[in-house]
Amino acid sequence: EVQLVESGGGLVQPGGSLRLSCAASGFVFSNFWMAWVRQAPGKGLEWVANIKVDGSEEYYADSARGRFTLSRDNAKNSLFLQMNTLRADDTAVYYCARNRGWFQFEDWGQGTLVTVSS
Amino acid sequence: QSALTQPASVSGSPGQSITISCAGTSSDVGGYNHVSWYQQHPGKAPKLMIYDVSSRPSGVSNRFSGSKSGNTASLTISGLQAEDEADYYCSSFTSDSRTPFGTGTKVTVL
Repeated sequence: EVQLVESGGGLVQPGGSLRLSCAASGFVFSNFWMAWVRQAPGKGLEWVANIKVDGSEEYYADSARGRFTLSRDNAKNSLFLQMNTLRADDTAVYYCARNRGWFQFEDWGQGTLVTVSS
Repeated sequence: QSALTQPASVSGSPGQSITISCAGTSSDVGGYNHVSWYQQHPGKAPKLMIYDVSSRPSGVSNRFSGSKSGNTASLTISGLQAEDEADYYCSSFTSDSRTPFGTGTKVTVL
């Protein structure tokens, strides 16, 4: 059974940083592109970033580029999202997702809440 | 990148069929046969319902079907059931490897 478990969310002040983690199991992690998708309270889904199987390519939404960095550790079956210079509009539930191909997300974690507030 | 356009809400009575549209451009929906649809119940993670325009993952009811014409994709739910009441989002592969989602549609079962 595929499992994706996010962690690292919490309350952070504007301008602060946070590092999210996603622990993967139940599949060969190194064979799949991975992604982060977020959802602000009461709003729709927003894609954040994609990362290639070996970490050699990353793609970011305009809202994340320059502030967020996506990385992965295939030896530890883990995905990371380093978020810097956080703003109030980054407040959201952040989901880790497995890409079944062509950026179509077959499996999702339960999400971790990030709240940016003073 | 712009979000794909969906109607804000669609409703139907039990047993009826409803269709949700997803309008994009030739750089996303119209250019690739990699449109996906997600169902999300309140407080839950999204669930993949359709991929590659019209394919269903294992375990998804055949009451859900997808199609595409030009730059617009559609999700049809037939034999509407109470459990289908949820938010639905489309998404598409794009020419620049980004992944826009649709604006979302709230489905209400009357």
